[in-house]
Amino acid sequence: GENVEQHPSTLSVQEGDSAVIKCTYSDSASNYFPWYKQELGKRPQLIIDIRSNVGEKKDQRIAVTLNKTAKHFSLHITETQPEDSAVYFCAASSTGNQFYFGTGTSLTVIP
Amino acid sequence: DAMVIQNPRYQVTQFGKPVTLSCSQTLNHNVMYWYQQKSSQAPKLLFHYYDKDFNNEADTPDNFQSRRPNTSFCFLDIRSPGLGDAAMYLCATSVPLFAKNIQYFGAGTRLSVL
Repeated sequence: GENVEQHPSTLSVQEGDSAVIKCTYSDSASNYFPWYKQELGKRPQLIIDIRSNVGEKKDQRIAVTLNKTAKHFSLHITETQPEDSAVYFCAASSTGNQFYFGTGTSLTVIP
Repeated sequence: DAMVIQNPRYQVTQFGKPVTLSCSQTLNHNVMYWYQQKSSQAPKLLFHYYDKDFNNEADTPDNFQSRRPNTSFCFLDIRSPGLGDAAMYLCATSVPLFAKNIQYFGAGTRLSVL
């Protein structure tokens, strides 16, 4: 099965700085890579996703990059704000409908 | 309006007493999932349905069962809950669309085992 690794497990940044979270996956059949933000006690919320035929995608302050050859993808948050503080999960999915999550990154944005 | 609804939000059961968690959806999605999420951990896929086809993850304990009587409803049955089964249980739905398979999560049911 798929194995998704995520780093770092915790990340603290000053407000206004950038945050980068990295994930690697093992199954070359994976072709869809969503990122979720989960606030304490709440459901995971999809914040951005990327398909395997795209190398980069941006949505305002959030961007995701994908390197299929190296099997890694990254989340970039620029101009961080305190409300960005949460746990972020990457995930990988193939046509089999299963989703496999990374271990999560707890992001703290310090005002 | 809530699209994936989980009931109850909080469930307390006794050690060994069967418990059922429910999930319903108004999206008419083909796929429904059950995840287990323990504190400070990632959601762990237990199983999923594609329509009526049941797909069990290899490491899902036999203690966990699921039923999907129709497109809208899916149930998680825990036959003999142990203390280690205390967790948040998340239901999700998806429909493959343009080579993407966006998941929609319910708010979760937090299960306590006494």
